[in-house]
Amino acid sequence: SQQGEEDPQALSIQEGENATMNCSYKTSINNLQWYRQNSGRGLVHLILIRSNEREKHSGRLRVTLDTSKKSSSLLITASRAADTASYFCATYSGGSNYKLTFGKGTLLTVNP
Amino acid sequence: GAVVSQHPSWVICKSGTSVKIECRSLDFQATTMFWYRQFPKQSLMLMATSNEGSKATYEQGVEKDKFLINHASLTLSTLTVTSAHPEDSSFYICSAANLLRGSSNQPQHFGDGTRLSIL
Repeated sequence: SQQGEEDPQALSIQEGENATMNCSYKTSINNLQWYRQNSGRGLVHLILIRSNEREKHSGRLRVTLDTSKKSSSLLITASRAADTASYFCATYSGGSNYKLTFGKGTLLTVNP
Repeated sequence: GAVVSQHPSWVICKSGTSVKIECRSLDFQATTMFWYRQFPKQSLMLMATSNEGSKATYEQGVEKDKFLINHASLTLSTLTVTSAHPEDSSFYICSAANLLRGSSNQPQHFGDGTRLSIL
């Protein structure tokens, strides 16, 4: 079953604007990861945030994690047309098999 | 960065054919590889987890005799869809990780996927 639920399912913005995507999950986690998927391609890892971290930055990306609310957000600042993709959150809840559970994803469209 | 190569990227074949998909880690040792299936506009569904040198662990509802997984080396895992039928048509994606590094706080590295179409 899907652990993560992204919100919104689809987001359309203009180049230069900021894009915020949210992810909620149900069980306790060790870490939460965000991935990007361009159409018809594999996933690219963006950022990993551990359960004891609250915020993390990487370039134009900012991820927050609120374990009390079981939610995370991904902010992309100064968006570009090349940011157009689907974005997935994935949670790792422990276990030796290192299994990730993916959310349903947000389709981001950045219009030039 | 860690590179995972998946081959073929696209295959069309007749119903009843068996299809093999390869997943290779090019610049790191993949102790564990994962096989996912993705339907259009949907999320990834984990099919199975394979550890080098041992049998794969399949998720509930995934037929192990239908989807044969072999992980014979630290750089190669294969998924064979046996006697494929149109309902097996999908996008299959592999990922790899090196869990010998001792930390679970590391990402999975994904291949570019294989689009399988069964006629």
